[in-house]
Amino acid sequence: AQSVTQLDSQVPVFEEAPVELRCNYSSSVPPYLFWYVQYPNQGLQLLLKYLSGSTLVKGINGFEAEFNKSQTSFHLRKPSVHISDTAEYFCAVDLSGYALNFGKGTSLLVTP
Amino acid sequence: GAGVSQSPSNKVTEKGKDVELRCDPISGHTALYWYRQSLGQGLEFLIYFQGNSAPDKSGLPSDRFSAERTGGSVSTLTIQRTQQEDSAVYLCASSPRLDYNEQFFGPGTRLTVL
Repeated sequence: AQSVTQLDSQVPVFEEAPVELRCNYSSSVPPYLFWYVQYPNQGLQLLLKYLSGSTLVKGINGFEAEFNKSQTSFHLRKPSVHISDTAEYFCAVDLSGYALNFGKGTSLLVTP
Repeated sequence: GAGVSQSPSNKVTEKGKDVELRCDPISGHTALYWYRQSLGQGLEFLIYFQGNSAPDKSGLPSDRFSAERTGGSVSTLTIQRTQQEDSAVYLCASSPRLDYNEQFFGPGTRLTVL
């Protein structure tokens, strides 16, 4: 079975500071990995995904993530955050080729 | 273009009543998925459709939950004899095909069972 652990439930950060949201997965085979973002009162939006190939994945809104097989991690990073990045971020792993198995989410709060 | 839409956006019901939640996927998307988002459980996968067929119903929490999809388009998630623990946000997603590796989510239906 595959599961995802998001190590931080909340991450407060100042505007223009860098941020890293941590995600670890457990899988016996190389997984498909995703980061989704959920803005208040909205549905989930895909930020980026790792399927294969280059371990550094770039997504929308300046976010990137690195797949690290030896550490079974897929941490999300952004070098300089904006107020508008305040949202809930979910790491997910593909389960069975159709179901996404989500982590509990990390609430990113960006303040001036 | 139009995204995934869900209705109603909010539903308040009394314990024991039946509710129907509707999902309109993006036009042309053959795969459709239902998830539940609750405080205690996070985001849980419930069921998916490939066309009108739901091959795996094991994610449904109990036999009070059922879902159908007609015409390869609209899907309805029905909860019979609602319980307070059914209170959650029910999210629908769709994708062009099953192996597309991206799911497009709707805004959700917030269900409150009193």
